[in-house]
This record gives sequence, structure tokens and C-alpha cells, in this order.
Amino acid sequence: KAGVTQTPRYLIKTRGQQVTLSCSPISGHRSVSWYQQTPGQGLQFLFEYFSETQRNKGNFPGRFSGRQFSNSRSEMNVSTLELGDSALYLCASSLEAALRRGNNEQFFGPGTRLTVL
Amino acid sequence: QKEVEQNSGPLSVPEGAIASLNCTYSDRVSQSFFWYRQYSGKSPELIMSIYSNGDKEDGRFTAQLNKASQYVSLLIRDSQPSDSATYLCAVGSGSARQLTFGSGTQLTVLP
Repeated sequence: KAGVTQTPRYLIKTRGQQVTLSCSPISGHRSVSWYQQTPGQGLQFLFEYFSETQRNKGNFPGRFSGRQFSNSRSEMNVSTLELGDSALYLCASSLEAALRRGNNEQFFGPGTRLTVL
Repeated sequence: QKEVEQNSGPLSVPEGAIASLNCTYSDRVSQSFFWYRQYSGKSPELIMSIYSNGDKEDGRFTAQLNKASQYVSLLIRDSQPSDSATYLCAVGSGSARQLTFGSGTQLTVLP
């Protein structure tokens, strides 16, 4: 079974530009979460989508947005890029299962390394 | 503010030894606990999940959970140089898929 795929793998942008990152979850997985990883802040939750709806959102400014399509693929967008947005952006997918069954495992894609100059 | 604390390390152990990684969390309603391994320049890889108090073993890895003490640990037996990586503890609360991560412990296994 193919894993989580993310495109592009690397991006270089300049301040003020916007960027769109794409994520395809593992086949059959319906939940997609996005995380930002930086050396200073570690891994931080951005948002989570299920059935084309954002269910949870982390503590990030409104410049960070996302969406999910009917085939569970997801995109995230960052507008008006700042130098501090340079990071590894990770997408994770999981099955939608009752939490009481404990199947809440998230599997990460390879990430998109964004550099803002 | 949900917090997950890990020993920042770095932790060095000789090949063949047991590596012990520890994690504490602040949110008492946390229900799911995970250990991820991240090699330098790569994305996190899930190696263990645990949901109930006690021990869970998978090969050379054993996860231990104590909800009363809000403590989760990972033991790596017969450590190999290929185990050298950063180990991330992650905690999930309620029905949310949101995970809160610790800052990671860098493990080096010396040949």
C-alpha cells in the first residue's frame, strides 16, 4: 500500500508570496492533519480535515489555511509569507475509527521543505 | 496549554544495551500515546502506539504507559547503531486527531 505523498518536496519563495502544498493520504484514510516542524518550535499542529471539513485548528494565524477534497486529498495554503514560515510542513493521514478502539495512529508523509527568503 | 515533556538528551548508549526514553504529559484526559522515530532530514515514522496502562511490546521495542503518573516511556532492547535518531513522544486527547509532540530525545547508539 502506498504511503502518504506530498508535493512539492522543496520550495523556495520570497516574503509576501503565497504557497500551496499538496498531500495525498494513504488509500482508505479519510483524516488528514497538517503539522509545521521547525528547529525552535518542534512539531506543531496546524489543522485537521475529515470529509472535506476542518475539525480542528491549531494556534496559527489566518494566513494558514487548508482544504480537503472529496477524494481525501488535501492542500494547505500560506499567504503573505514571512521569513518565520520557513519550515518542514508535514501531512499525516489516519483512518477514521472510533477512538475507543484505539485506532488513532497517524502516518506522516515525507514533508515539504519550504524556505522563505 | 497541553504540554508534553521529554528528556532533551542527547542520550548515548553502547550497542546491545537498553535505551530508555521518557515522556510526561500534562493533559489528564489524554487517551492515545505514540512514539515516532525521526532520522535526520526525514519525516517522523510511527514505531509504537499505546492506549491502555501497562506494557506493550513489539520486537525490540516496549512502550510503557502509566496514566495515573501521566508518564509514558519507550525501551529499546539490544540497541543498534541504526536506532540512532530523534525519538518523539506524541499525545492525543479526546476524539481529536490533533497530536501534541514533545521536543524529542536524540539517541546515539555507539558501535
